[in-house]
Amino acid sequence: YVVTQPPSVSVAPGETAILTCGGKNIRSKSVHWYQQKAGQAPVLVIFYDSDRPSGIPDRFSGSNSGDTATLTISRVETGDEADYFCHLWDSSTDHSILFGGGTKLTVL
Amino acid sequence: EVRLVQSGAEVKKPGESLRISCTASEYSFSTYWITWVRQMSGKGLEWMGTIDPKDSYTSYSPSFQGHVSISVDKSLNTASLQWGSLQASDTAVYFCARHVAFGGAPGRSGENAFDIWGQGTVVTVSS
Repeated sequence: YVVTQPPSVSVAPGETAILTCGGKNIRSKSVHWYQQKAGQAPVLVIFYDSDRPSGIPDRFSGSNSGDTATLTISRVETGDEADYFCHLWDSSTDHSILFGGGTKLTVL
Repeated sequence: EVRLVQSGAEVKKPGESLRISCTASEYSFSTYWITWVRQMSGKGLEWMGTIDPKDSYTSYSPSFQGHVSISVDKSLNTASLQWGSLQASDTAVYFCARHVAFGGAPGRSGENAFDIWGQGTVVTVSS
C-alpha cells in the first residue's frame, strides 16, 4: 500500500493550508496526522481522520474521503511551520503501520 | 504529566551491540501498546515494531525483523530497543510512542494513533 504526500506546501500567514495524504481507497482506513518541528518529536494533531487531541487548536481539522485524506490548517501562523506526516494502518500487508513521506509546510 | 522519557545519545562502532530505553510515567504502562519509530537524518518516519507490554507480544516491520529486538520490563515501566550488531546505516534518531484508540481510550491495536512520544534517542554508528 502506497501513501503519498506532496513534499512541500507554502502559504502566507492568515491563509488556509491544505495538506493531502493519498492512497487507494484511503477512506476505508483511519488516518492520523503529526506535526514535527525541527529537532523535536512528532506531535499528534488529528487522529481517526478528524478528531483533535486536547490542546490542539481548532484551526486544525481533518477529513477523509475517496483516495485522499486531508489536514486543513486555518488562519495559518508562523508557528505552524513544520513537517506534517500522515499515518495509517494497512491490515493487508506486513508493513502494516505506514507513514507518508511528509509535507514541509512553509509559512511565507 | 504522562511522559515517555528515552535514554541518552549513543555513539557506537559497527558490529557493537546497543540497547536504548523508553520509560513511561503517570499512566498504566501495561494498558497501552508501545511502538518504535526510526527517523534518519532529513528523512521521514519509519515503523520498526510494536510491543504489548501486558504480555510482550511483538510485531516487527519486515524491514527491521531480525535486526532489532523489542522488549519490556514491566517492573520498571520501560520498553527497550536492542541491536545485536550495529551497522553504519543504523545511524538515526529513534522514537518510542504510546498507542491511543478512538476517543482517547488505551490503544491496543495497529490502527491506533500515537499520542505520547519520547524525546528521541540519537544513535550514531561510525568507525
